[in-house]
Amino acid sequence: EAGVTQSPTHLIKTRGQQATLRCSPISGHTSVYWYQQALGLGLQFLLWYDEGEERNRGNFPPRFSGRQFPNYSSELNVNALELEDSALYLCASSPHGGRGETQYFGPGTRLLVL
Amino acid sequence: AQSVTQPDIHITVSEGASLELRCNYSYGATPYLFWYVQSPGQGLQLLLKYFSGDTLVQGIKGFEAEFKRSQSSFNLRKPSVHWSDAAEYFCAVGGRGGSGNTGKLIFGQGTTLQVKP
Repeated sequence: EAGVTQSPTHLIKTRGQQATLRCSPISGHTSVYWYQQALGLGLQFLLWYDEGEERNRGNFPPRFSGRQFPNYSSELNVNALELEDSALYLCASSPHGGRGETQYFGPGTRLLVL
Repeated sequence: AQSVTQPDIHITVSEGASLELRCNYSYGATPYLFWYVQSPGQGLQLLLKYFSGDTLVQGIKGFEAEFKRSQSSFNLRKPSVHWSDAAEYFCAVGGRGGSGNTGKLIFGQGTTLQVKP
């Protein structure tokens, strides 16, 4: 069974540009989660999508947004990039978004903002 | 406030020695508890999880963890460490509280394990 996949693996942008990160969940999973792992800040929850709807978002500015498609894949968009957005962005999926479900993580997209 | 503390930022053990990584949490109710491992440049791999029942949980790669409610701890152990265990380890909690399902995992800052030959 294929795991969570993310693309691209690496992304280099300049300040002020927009970045788009993509995630495909494990087959059959309807929930997708996004986390940011920035140096010195640890793993921070960004967004949760389930059945095409945004269910929760973390303490991030509105320029972090995303969506979930009918096939449950997801996209994270970061607008007006700032230097501190440089981080590893991890996507995870779970079967139904139920309470306490295990989240299975992808390999991440490393975003570098110059 | 909900939080997870991993007191040890960096631990070095000799290959074949035993290992214990500490995790303490602060949460309004008994949370769901997880341990993940991250190798350099990789995503997170689930080692084990605690939902309910037996407080000693067995995971993959010979790891186990014990949930101690009285101490708000969920320490990870391995009786004999292998060089391939060198990685970063994260403890995480997920909610089961009355505030609803947030979908959010709260992670500790991680413990980097170095294994000496």
